[in-house]
Amino acid sequence: DAGVTQSPTHLIKTRGQQVTLRCSPKSGHDTVSWYQQALGQGPQFIFQYYEEEERQRGNFPDRFSGHQFPNYSSELNVNALLLGDSALYLCASSLMGGSGQETQYFGPGTRLLVL
Amino acid sequence: GENVEQHPSTLSVQEGDSAVIKCTYSDSASNYFPWYKQELGKRPQLIIDIRSNVGEKKDQRIAVTLNKTAKHFSLHITETQPEDSAVYFCAASKGGTYKYIFGTGTRLKVLA
Repeated sequence: DAGVTQSPTHLIKTRGQQVTLRCSPKSGHDTVSWYQQALGQGPQFIFQYYEEEERQRGNFPDRFSGHQFPNYSSELNVNALLLGDSALYLCASSLMGGSGQETQYFGPGTRLLVL
Repeated sequence: GENVEQHPSTLSVQEGDSAVIKCTYSDSASNYFPWYKQELGKRPQLIIDIRSNVGEKKDQRIAVTLNKTAKHFSLHITETQPEDSAVYFCAASKGGTYKYIFGTGTRLKVLA
């Protein structure tokens, strides 16, 4: 039973560039959430995708966008990168139930460094 | 707005002692409270969770308690071992939303 996978593991970009991060959910899961974890901080919710639509969004600018594919995998895109976007980007998958009590399982993350 | 406060930020205990980490949430509608352990450079791993209809849950050396009236929940680790050393995060979520609100983390060091 495959867990949550993410690619790439590490990425170095320069300011102003664009980046795409990828996530494959745990087998049997249909929902993908993205979080940003700055060094020494807890994960911050970016957005969640279910049925190929963005269900909810955190306090992140429109430079952050995403997509979910029919196979439930997902991408996170960040445009016009800023130095402050440097962080660990975590993908979490779950099975949509609607109660708010669904357990989310995290991938290993993509560490993004913006120079 | 929604907020989860977590204390302490760092905690050092001797091997074999107990460790307690406390979290307070602001949204009374929160109904699910997971705890994650994150070792350096690794993904957050779920270690235990509790739902709002339960006051306490235990899994071997780990237990979580929930006080809905006070909006507090706590993680208890007994007989700590060096491999328990990590950063622990609490989180809260509620029905109708899909996001976890995380605490700021507690760095636990178990001294051999």
